[in-house]
Amino acid sequence: SQQGEEDPQALSIQEGENATMNCSYKTSINNLQWYRQNSGRGLVHLILIRSNEREKHSGRLRVTLDTSKKSSSLLITASRAADTASYFCATESNTGKLIFGQGTTLQVKP
Amino acid sequence: GAGVSQSPRYKVAKRGQDVALRCDPISGHVSLFWYQQALGQGPEFLTYFQNEAQLDKSGLPSDRFFAERPEGSVSTLKIQRTQQEDSAVYLCASSLRDFLGYEQYFGPGTRLTVT
Repeated sequence: SQQGEEDPQALSIQEGENATMNCSYKTSINNLQWYRQNSGRGLVHLILIRSNEREKHSGRLRVTLDTSKKSSSLLITASRAADTASYFCATESNTGKLIFGQGTTLQVKP
Repeated sequence: GAGVSQSPRYKVAKRGQDVALRCDPISGHVSLFWYQQALGQGPEFLTYFQNEAQLDKSGLPSDRFFAERPEGSVSTLKIQRTQQEDSAVYLCASSLRDFLGYEQYFGPGTRLTVT
């Protein structure tokens, strides 16, 4: 079963705008990771945030983590058409397996 | 360098047939994971290997599913007597270390269609 929910399920924006996706989870975690999946391609790791971190940046990506609310958000700034993909959050269990959310489908219109 | 590779990329099986899906992880990666991804859903964990040891198989949906990694490198996921509900993309991932906090590198997946 999936760990939690992602919100929104689908998002459509214009190139240059920012995109924000949210993820909620149910159990305690070691870390939370965000992955991207393009149509027909495998999952690509974007960023990892540990349970004792509150915010992390990587290029145009900004991730926040609120362990008290069991939620995380991914912000993509200055979006590009190439950012069109599905985005998944995943929490890492004590055994190392990833538990994924259902994903947010992002469409960036040129 | 070479990433995780999977073969075949596409497999069509008639209900009741056995299938074998192969995963070649990144060389030197200790951990190997299998996930199942249904259409429109996030991947769901199936099983985990640390070298040749299968440490977690809690996600395997039934005893028709079997995975092995005999030499700690290549892994095979076998599904016996396939059913229509087995239709999904099967993803393999590898990770450099055997402890927490390392990203997993995913292969392109094998899309299995059971008719």
